[in-house]
Order: sequence, then structure tokens, then C-alpha cells
Amino acid sequence: AIQMTQSPSSLSASVGDRVTITCRASQGIRNELTWYQQKPGKAPKLLIYAASISQSGIPSRFSGSGSGTDFTLTISSLQPEDFATYHCLQDFSYPLTFGGGTKVEIK
Amino acid sequence: EVQLAESGGGLVQPGGSLRLSCAASGFTFSSYWMSWVRQAPGKGLEWVAHMKEDGSEKYYVDSVKGRFTVSRDNGENSLYLQMSSLRAEDTAVYYCARDLGYCNNGVCHAVFDYWGQGTLVTVSS
Repeated sequence: AIQMTQSPSSLSASVGDRVTITCRASQGIRNELTWYQQKPGKAPKLLIYAASISQSGIPSRFSGSGSGTDFTLTISSLQPEDFATYHCLQDFSYPLTFGGGTKVEIK
Repeated sequence: EVQLAESGGGLVQPGGSLRLSCAASGFTFSSYWMSWVRQAPGKGLEWVAHMKEDGSEKYYVDSVKGRFTVSRDNGENSLYLQMSSLRAEDTAVYYCARDLGYCNNGVCHAVFDYWGQGTLVTVSS
């Protein structure tokens, strides 16, 4: 199974900060990576798919990049509603595998 | 409005069985792949199973193969997960999720655009 290593596992940031979360695959996965946001007690929410395509309705401050093994989710200016846990998911091959998650907390 | 509603969770003893259901509405259920994803308390997400629109293809994470079976009834707009030989490590919130169906250059991606609220399965004696 492809292993997805997400970093950092948690971070503290302030409103307005630029935040970068990375996901590394144990082998090349082309651009077959998705990012989700999850708030406590809620289901995940789709942010970015195919590494860089924003889901409809997602604010433009969220962007994704990368291909092959290294991927990045960037929040250009952190907003209060962005404090949450972020997960990456590879869909290059079965079993689909998630990264361990990155919790973004308020500094 | 797309809606997914899981049910069937609860407390079950190790070795027991449980059947989860996911009722879908607001879209043409028979046109979408569907998945189950779970999340153990305080842990990350784990994909469990994925099923093609007509049920002809099913995929599972290794840890549930031979114990869990995903199925669907397109006439009832419902997805199911039959779980047997349950273990403590199966304790989790189970979500059903719709696959967006995004394909590009002949490559189709498993992208989950709608999720249910989840149902908690607790395996304990």
C-alpha cells in the first residue's frame, strides 16, 4: 500500500498567516491526490482534487500543488474558520490511503 | 440537495456482526461510485471500501477483506456495509461518501464530494 506522510502533524498559526501543509507519497502517484478539511465532530469537506483543482465554493485562499510524490496545500491568509484538521488522500491505487492529518490551531 | 444519511451503528461484542446503511437522496444514486470511510476516536481517516455504480467492482482495505462486504440497492438509493467478525480496532465513526466521478485523460479519480454525518460503531465486551 502507498504510504502518505503528512507534515507537520500540527501547527499553530495566527489569523492572516500563510500556512503550508505537505503530503509525501511513498511512490509516485501522478496528480492523484485530494485534500479535505475536517472540523471537530463533522464530516470531512472536499477542498482540492487532482492535486490542484479547487472544489466549487472553496475560497481562493486555498490552493494545492504538486505531482509525483510531493504535494502541498497552501492557505494564503488564514481565517478564523480555517482552524481545523486537514487530510490528504491518494487515489492512485487501491487501497486508497490517507495521510495522518494536520491540525491547524490558533496561536 | 445531496444528502447522505448513515444508520445502523451501535455497540457490538467482539466477533459480532453489524450492518450499516447509507440512504442517499438529491442525486441519481445509480450513477455514482460510493465509498465507506471510517475514523477511530481521536485518529485519522481510513478508507474502507469503494463500490462501482452497478456493483460490478468493489475494493477494500486489507484489514477488512473477508470480514466486511459493501453492497448497494440502486432501486432503494442505499449503500450498505455488512460487517462481521468485528474487532476492537473496528471501533470508529463510519462515513459513507459519494465519489465525484472526476475523470481526465482517461484517468478517473476517487474524489469524495459529499459525506454523511457518520454512524458510530463500538466493538467492546
